[in-house]
Amino acid sequence: RKEVEQDPGPFNVPEGATVAFNCTYSNSASQSFFWYRQDCRKEPKLLMSVYSSGNEDGRFTAQLNRASQYISLLIRDSKLSDSATYLCVVMREGGSQGNLIFGKGTKLSVKP
Amino acid sequence: NAGVTQTPKFRVLKTGQSMTLLCAQDMNHEYMYWYRQDPGMGLRLIHYSVGEGTTAKGEVPDGYNVSRLKKQNFLLGLESAAPSQTSVYFCASSPQVYEQYFGPGTRLTVT
Repeated sequence: RKEVEQDPGPFNVPEGATVAFNCTYSNSASQSFFWYRQDCRKEPKLLMSVYSSGNEDGRFTAQLNRASQYISLLIRDSKLSDSATYLCVVMREGGSQGNLIFGKGTKLSVKP
Repeated sequence: NAGVTQTPKFRVLKTGQSMTLLCAQDMNHEYMYWYRQDPGMGLRLIHYSVGEGTTAKGEVPDGYNVSRLKKQNFLLGLESAAPSQTSVYFCASSPQVYEQYFGPGTRLTVT
């Protein structure tokens, strides 16, 4: 099993739709989880951290299920500007510097 | 405040040539990283540094060397470029381990 796995998509949705991405991780000892966003031909940028209690930032909700070892990102009321690739990121056990594992990303395309 | 900058933005090399990629950050971050991103592979860590004068190997270090002589700069060197090193290279810095700030990337083609 790969350390971090994501459905590559693409997810093609109309404006206003709700879309959810899942990500699974293999190391049950992983402690920290994040979602990054990467626009086409641009650098990745931190979207949000994922906490055990779940967290919400406007239209974005991130959740963690430790028992099943998966992380989710829910986007409500999709906007054209949400079109991007979403990277699931997991910190390896110990959390020492350099131990972020990036998923390959899920591509989202929001259509008018 | 420019954040993280990378030089050059694009480069074409012939097999066997050498080059250095420069990463600079003005946020006084301790940690700096070099990644490569290939289609279908995601971001992979090449080398990283936890402070001035320190470097460490990441997931795919072979064929690359790095130096961190100044806190604000992190250099990535290719001694003898190979076609397998064709990729997009991203530099990142962070004040902590997880919140990494990325540069705009360098697109390298080795023919």
